[in-house]
Amino acid sequence: EAGVAQSPRYKIIEKRQSVAFWCNPISGHATLYWYQQILGQGPKLLIQFQNNGVVDDSQLPKDRFSAERLKGVDSTLKIQPAKLEDSAVYLCASSFWGGFPDTQYFGPGTRLTVL
Amino acid sequence: EDKVVQSPLSLVVHEGDTVTLNCSYEVTNFRSLLWYKQEKKAPTFLFMLTSSGIEKKSGRLSSILDKKELFSILNITATQTGDSAIYLCAVGCGNNDMRFGAGTRLTVKP
Repeated sequence: EAGVAQSPRYKIIEKRQSVAFWCNPISGHATLYWYQQILGQGPKLLIQFQNNGVVDDSQLPKDRFSAERLKGVDSTLKIQPAKLEDSAVYLCASSFWGGFPDTQYFGPGTRLTVL
Repeated sequence: EDKVVQSPLSLVVHEGDTVTLNCSYEVTNFRSLLWYKQEKKAPTFLFMLTSSGIEKKSGRLSSILDKKELFSILNITATQTGDSAIYLCAVGCGNNDMRFGAGTRLTVKP
């Protein structure tokens, strides 16, 4: 089965610019997650979707970050405007269902560097 | 505040050694504890633990959970250079939360 796809794999931008990341989950997985992983730290959940609805976005910096999953399949995460501290790997994960128990499958990530 | 703490943060061993990685947690409404291996790319799933005292085993890797003392260990026996990676512990908690520890960076030297 195909895994979680993400693009781009790498992105370098200057601060105050905008950037968007794309994720296509494993087919049939209703739950989709976006994580931010800063170097030396574990992944931090930004937002969780169940189909096209938001389940949890409590840790998403909503003044600059936004995410959508309009058709309940693929998703985009946007940062506008970017700050230096946004430099991180952005991981997308999906799971068959978001309840308990739950195993998430991760994509390869997008490494963002903000200069 | 929910927290997951892993130790040690980094570890260097030689091939053939046995290692034990630790994960302790303080969370509300514990659901499950998961171990992931992260090399250069995405974290890959290793184990999910929900019950105390039941060892999960896969080849040279094994893990066990203690829900009374709020910790889990991941053991790797007869380590190989291919085991070099960051090992992440994550705890499912609250309504839908998944909290990750900072990870343990394991380096296995030939």
